[in-house]
Amino acid sequence: DQQVKQNSPSLSVQEGRISILNCDYTNSMFDYFLWYKKYPAEGPTFLISISSIKDKNEDGRFTVFLNKSAKHLSLHIVPSQPGDSAVYFCAASASYHNTDKLIFGTGTRLQVFP
Amino acid sequence: ETGVTQTPRHLVMGMTNKKSLKCEQHLGHNAMYWYKQSAKKPLELMFVYSLEERVENNSVPSRFSPECPNSSHLFLHLHTLQPEDSALYLCASSQDFILAGGNEQYFGPGTRLTVT
Repeated sequence: DQQVKQNSPSLSVQEGRISILNCDYTNSMFDYFLWYKKYPAEGPTFLISISSIKDKNEDGRFTVFLNKSAKHLSLHIVPSQPGDSAVYFCAASASYHNTDKLIFGTGTRLQVFP
Repeated sequence: ETGVTQTPRHLVMGMTNKKSLKCEQHLGHNAMYWYKQSAKKPLELMFVYSLEERVENNSVPSRFSPECPNSSHLFLHLHTLQPEDSALYLCASSQDFILAGGNEQYFGPGTRLTVT
């Protein structure tokens, strides 16, 4: 049973527009959420994170929103650039387990076209 | 159940010990990965094997030695580790390292390693 779900396997966006990647989770004990970005032939790299005490975290063109009541988070990229084309993984952690194991989603492939 | 298994799930070892972590994937994938996950840090890629050949080594100290005898098995041999090496070690696999782009990278449950 997947605790972290990325229901859209792919997304195509025009350059300059906003990209919105979504992620849903089922475990209400998750309190730390991350997004990873992965280019082909490379491992995932950390992009941005958010703690459950916040509902928004911004870093340059990237903003993550967290809606705890809906168990939903999203990653916004504005403006989108061709170099953003990659696979984006959502991940979650439940610190109450005293573990830092991340539960990952299966990823969303973003393609930004000119 | 992702189809990727790791053993042992927990390991405590002294700094002079030699131990090995094992990863097995039952998905018919061609690429396998070792990741290190330290407390509250992003996942760190350690090694990548594609078709049983190492294709990436992310500046990992030599006290970590990977081995990939076939496409289904991946080992991480440990010797003379340091306490700061205590972490969760994750194995993952994907259909192909290059073509799949990680879109379907399946992770094992991890081995929680404690170095005393």
